[in-house]
Amino acid sequence: LAKTTQPISMDSYEGQEVNITCSHNNIATNDYITWYQQFPSQGPRFIIQGYKTKVTNEVASLFIPADRKSSTLSLPRVSLSDTAVYYCLVVPNNNDMRFGAGTRLTVKP
Amino acid sequence: EAGVTQSPTHLIKTRGQQATLRCSPISGHTSVYWYQQALGLGLQFLLWYDEGEERNRGNFPPRFSGRQFPNYSSELNVNALELEDSALYLCASRDFINYNEQFFGPGTRLTVL
Repeated sequence: LAKTTQPISMDSYEGQEVNITCSHNNIATNDYITWYQQFPSQGPRFIIQGYKTKVTNEVASLFIPADRKSSTLSLPRVSLSDTAVYYCLVVPNNNDMRFGAGTRLTVKP
Repeated sequence: EAGVTQSPTHLIKTRGQQATLRCSPISGHTSVYWYQQALGLGLQFLLWYDEGEERNRGNFPPRFSGRQFPNYSSELNVNALELEDSALYLCASRDFINYNEQFFGPGTRLTVL
């Protein structure tokens, strides 16, 4: 399983763009990169997934360089309600999903 | 469409007892995952069931076990409870096509006294 490394915590202010980078140096050819968001006392919620280049949905963008050894989750114009823990996962073919410690994002007014 | 449901919401047990946690996946989802999340920590993968079979398990002792029923609901059993088993236990399900997207239930808060 590819190991992921992401910052433990990040602070931001309302209205700013937040970029959270995840390293996954030993990602395999068939692995997908997936991000989840978790609020306190709730289960995580799927945000976005990608394989390469850029993926965008109504919530976030995901940037993946050509070597795929890292990925960056971009949250545009964050609000207080975006305060949560964000998890980066590398999902192998056998669908064995392992969550790391995640990045605790705190958005301040 | 109903989401993933878990029962009970809260469970209080004493050391040495056994706990049974239940999960009903979203209709049409055949895979069920179990995770343990101790207070303030990340999710630790426990078990993965698909089509009634255990596909993989995390680094947990054998007293953590479970099963998946023909209707794809699942049960997690924890025997000989220890204080450090106190945690939020989350169940997630996914369908056959969008296998990277797991849908999580609200969790069961297990407290071991």
